[in-house]
Parts: sequence; structure tokens; C-alpha cells
Amino acid sequence: AQKITQTQPGMFVQEKEAVTLDCTYDTSDPSYGLFWYKQPSSGEMIFLIYQGSYDQQNATEGRYSLNFQKARKSANLVISASQLGDSAMYFCAMREVGSGGSNYKLTFGKGTLLTVNP
Amino acid sequence: NAGVTQTPKFRVLKTGQSMTLLCAQDMNHEYMYWYRQDPGMGLRLIHYSVGEGTTAKGEVPDGYNVSRLKKQNFLLGLESAAPSQTSVYFCASGNWEQFFGPGTRLTVL
Repeated sequence: AQKITQTQPGMFVQEKEAVTLDCTYDTSDPSYGLFWYKQPSSGEMIFLIYQGSYDQQNATEGRYSLNFQKARKSANLVISASQLGDSAMYFCAMREVGSGGSNYKLTFGKGTLLTVNP
Repeated sequence: NAGVTQTPKFRVLKTGQSMTLLCAQDMNHEYMYWYRQDPGMGLRLIHYSVGEGTTAKGEVPDGYNVSRLKKQNFLLGLESAAPSQTSVYFCASGNWEQFFGPGTRLTVL
């Protein structure tokens, strides 16, 4: 079973509107972290936002927020007031802490390509 | 503060040739990682290191070797390149969140 599932290969949004990118995850580890990265056409991977499994509140970073629903195992990224520069591939990733905190690996989803239309 | 740097940015190899990709970080991170990115596959972990002198296999380690002789450097080697290794390679470092280098686009003919 995939650990990270991003069901939207592509999404379109009008400039200045909000958009939600879906991410569901699968883990039996009680301690884990969820990350979102942005990859523009230039190719670099840019860290956006992080949510820990024990965090009580949803993470926010500027126009980015993470809609964390633990019981549903979802960690959707919400981008408010979309800008043309938000057009990019977006990846959801998970790090499971593992026994003794010894797991250092990120597992990535396959990504969602967001296009912001003027 | 350069963050994570990778050399080279582009490379074309013939089948059977060898090469080494160099990753350097100046953030004093213990943990470093090598990923490959292929269309429709997301990023897959090749090898990683949890400290100087240590390395471990990731999800797709076959055909690659790594070394971490210095804390700030993590080298990825291809001993005998194959066309299936055509990909974009990313190095990352980070003790929790990971910071990525700009990537190396490798083509094996």
C-alpha cells in the first residue's frame, strides 16, 4: 500500500482564489511528521510547511495552511489567494519516527501539478 | 550561507561509464540523503547517511554507492551507468525537515 497518496494529478485555480491539494497517508506509527514541498518548473524543491502528528493546531505559513485531519489520515495543503507564481508541482511527504526515533527517511507522494490561471 | 549545493548540474554518460555526484551542505546537519526523481514517480530515496562515516540503503539503492567521509559532503557514485539511471538526482540534508539541493540532470545513453 502506498504510504502517501495524492489523488489529483493536476489542478487548476483562478488567480486570487483559494485551492486545496489533497494528501492522504498511511502509517501505524503514532509519531510522524507531514511535509509539503513545492517544485516550480525550474526544478528546485522548496519546503513549504510542516505538521507533527501530536500538534494540536493546524500549521500555517503565510498563505499556506495545512488542514490536518488525523482520524481521516489526511493532510491537505490549502493555498489562499493564489498567485501566478504558485504554478508548480506540489509534493506531500511523511516521516515516520520509528522505534527509538531511528527513522530518518521521507516518503513522497507522486505530486499534484497546480496551474494558476490569470 | 549556500545551503545545499550539488555538482555537476548536468551530465551525459555512455552506458558503462562511471561518475560521482557531489553534495555539500553548510548547515551542520547530521543527516544527508540522495533521491532520484523520475516522471510520475515522485522522489525515491537511494541512500542516506545519519552522520560522518555512516551510510544506509534507501528504497532504490541498486547500482549506486555512497560515501560520507566528511560531515558536510555526501557523494553518490555510479560505477557502471545504465540507461535506467537516467534521472534527476537530488541531494538533501536536514535533521527533521529536509533542505534540497538544485538537482543534477543525468542522461545515460
